[in-house]
Amino acid sequence: DQQVKQNSPSLSVQEGRISILNCDYTNSMFDYFLWYKKYPAEGPTFLISISSIKDKNEDGRFTVFLNKSAKHLSLHIVPSQPGDSAVYFCAALNSGGYQKVTFGTGTKLQVIP
Amino acid sequence: NAGVTQTPKFRILKIGQSMTLQCTQDMNHNYMYWYRQDPGMGLKLIYYSVGAGITDKGEVPNGYNVSRSTTEDFPLRLELAAPSQTSVYFCASSTPQSGSGAIQYFGAGTRLSVL
Repeated sequence: DQQVKQNSPSLSVQEGRISILNCDYTNSMFDYFLWYKKYPAEGPTFLISISSIKDKNEDGRFTVFLNKSAKHLSLHIVPSQPGDSAVYFCAALNSGGYQKVTFGTGTKLQVIP
Repeated sequence: NAGVTQTPKFRILKIGQSMTLQCTQDMNHNYMYWYRQDPGMGLKLIYYSVGAGITDKGEVPNGYNVSRSTTEDFPLRLELAAPSQTSVYFCASSTPQSGSGAIQYFGAGTRLSVL
């Protein structure tokens, strides 16, 4: 039972354009969402997060949008840069518990110079 | 600041052998986690610990054991290696934050092949 789904395994975007990565979840108990970025041969690193009480969080070129009614979140990267090429994992948790995180399967982003 | 350190980086095991994947963190985090990542899949939680002496099963614990005798160390033990345990293993740590999600800090991973 995949509670966090990233339906696009890969995405290619031209440098300077917008990258939009999508994520859907099914568990209504999730109230905190995170995006992690992973380069080859490295561990994931935290990118940006959002609480369920918000619908948008912005950090520089990265913005995460949350649509609770649709159980959908998205990560926007503007403008995209070649260094953004990586695998992006969506993650969700119930902040009231032991904070066990459920990860999506990842989307591999390629930014073409 | 080393963060989360995993050893070894690579290992090849024969079926039935045992080994311990080491994980240590220097951030004084209470929470520690072990994940495995199979090709094309997300990270699956194997075991986690909320403090020294306290561990619990995650989503895919079968075939693994853990211990947490200190805050810093959280080793993962494979007793009888099987081909199904071929994967990349990640250790992570975090500090719980009430009302929000704690950011997890990951090690670089251990790539394990069981042949």
